[in-house]
Amino acid sequence: KAGVTQTPRYLIKTRGQQVTLSCSPISGHRSVSWYQQTPGQGLQFLFEYFSETQRNKGNFPGRFSGRQFSNSRSEMNVSTLELGDSALYLCASSWTSGGFSGANVLTFGAGSRLTVL
Amino acid sequence: QKEVEQNSGPLSVPEGAIASLNCTYSDRGSQSFFWYRQYSGKSPELIMSIYSNGDKEDGRFTAQLNKASQYVSLLIRDSQPSDSATYLCAVKDGNNRLAFGKGNQVVVIP
Repeated sequence: KAGVTQTPRYLIKTRGQQVTLSCSPISGHRSVSWYQQTPGQGLQFLFEYFSETQRNKGNFPGRFSGRQFSNSRSEMNVSTLELGDSALYLCASSWTSGGFSGANVLTFGAGSRLTVL
Repeated sequence: QKEVEQNSGPLSVPEGAIASLNCTYSDRGSQSFFWYRQYSGKSPELIMSIYSNGDKEDGRFTAQLNKASQYVSLLIRDSQPSDSATYLCAVKDGNNRLAFGKGNQVVVIP
């Protein structure tokens, strides 16, 4: 079974540009979460989507946005890029987001490494 | 106060020894707890999940949860060089958001 697929894997942008990252979850998974990982801050939660609805949002500025499509694929967008946005952006999927079973366990993709110059 | 704290610095353990990692969390409403392993340059992968107080064993790994004291721990028995990685504690809070600690680097010395 295919895992979580993220594209592109690497990209370089300049300050002020915008970027769109894509995530295809594991087949059947309806919950998609996005995280930003940096050496200084670790893994920080961006947002979670379930059945095309944003269910949770982290403490990031409005420049960070996302959406989920009917096939559960998700995209995140960062507008007006800043140097500090350079990071590894990780997408993770799960069957559900709640409950106390393996259904809420996140499986991560390989990530999209963004460098802002 | 950060939601999930992993305060220990890098941990060096001899091959075959026990590695012990600790994690504390701030939200008393948290119900689901996870340990992820992340190799350098790779994405996190789940190694343990635990939902109720007590111990949970899976092979060489044992997770321990104490909700009253708000801590989770991970023991790695018979440590192997392949266990060298960063271990991330993750806690799902009362709002169903999964928060991660900054991680503990483990180095197993042959």
